[in-house]
Amino acid sequence: EDKVVQSPLSLVVHEGDTVTLNCSYEVTNFRSLLWYKQEKKAPTFLFMLTSSGIEKKSGRLSSILDKKELFSILNITATQTGDSAVYLCAVVWERFSSGSARQLTFGSGTQLTVLP
Amino acid sequence: DTGVSQDPRHKITKRGQNVTFRCDPISEHNRLYWYRQTLGQGPEFLTYFQNEAQLEKSRLLSDRFSAERPKGSFSTLEIQRTEQGDSAMYLCASSLSVRKDTQYFGPGTRLTVL
Repeated sequence: EDKVVQSPLSLVVHEGDTVTLNCSYEVTNFRSLLWYKQEKKAPTFLFMLTSSGIEKKSGRLSSILDKKELFSILNITATQTGDSAVYLCAVVWERFSSGSARQLTFGSGTQLTVLP
Repeated sequence: DTGVSQDPRHKITKRGQNVTFRCDPISEHNRLYWYRQTLGQGPEFLTYFQNEAQLEKSRLLSDRFSAERPKGSFSTLEIQRTEQGDSAMYLCASSLSVRKDTQYFGPGTRLTVL
């Protein structure tokens, strides 16, 4: 059974703090891991990770994947109130190794609240 | 605007009625996905298309749900005999190809079944 678990479920910090969000997974035929940010609308894409140990970075956000231990982290440094959102982790996997049935399973998200 | 669009954005209906939602993907994307999201949960996969072929359907998709993508462009999701438990945000996403997995989401259709 495919499973994506995010922690913590919610987090409240003050502006300027650094946060680390966690995502662990158990899926068959892993292909990639995606991070999304969701405010009061549809998710917007942040990162796609396919290789272990290679950090992806965009401004104050960065992410890394560990395919041996089956997890990823998303770091946000110098948080701002505009970072307040639900951060979703999603894993692309295949039911069959032939590649014909690729699926995306989401975790339940981490609700981040950044206070001024 | 070349993003994913969905119509309507909101739908309120009475239990037992049929509803249909439309999704227009990014024009060169050949994969199209439908998800359902309820409050406090991540999106749940419902079904996906590669061009006009429906390749995968979730166990969540009961026989009251049907999706089509007749010309490999826009897609429709129909729910027949709606139930209160169908109330949710229905999200559509598209991606370029098998090798480019990143999915781009539309704004969603929020369904409320009274």
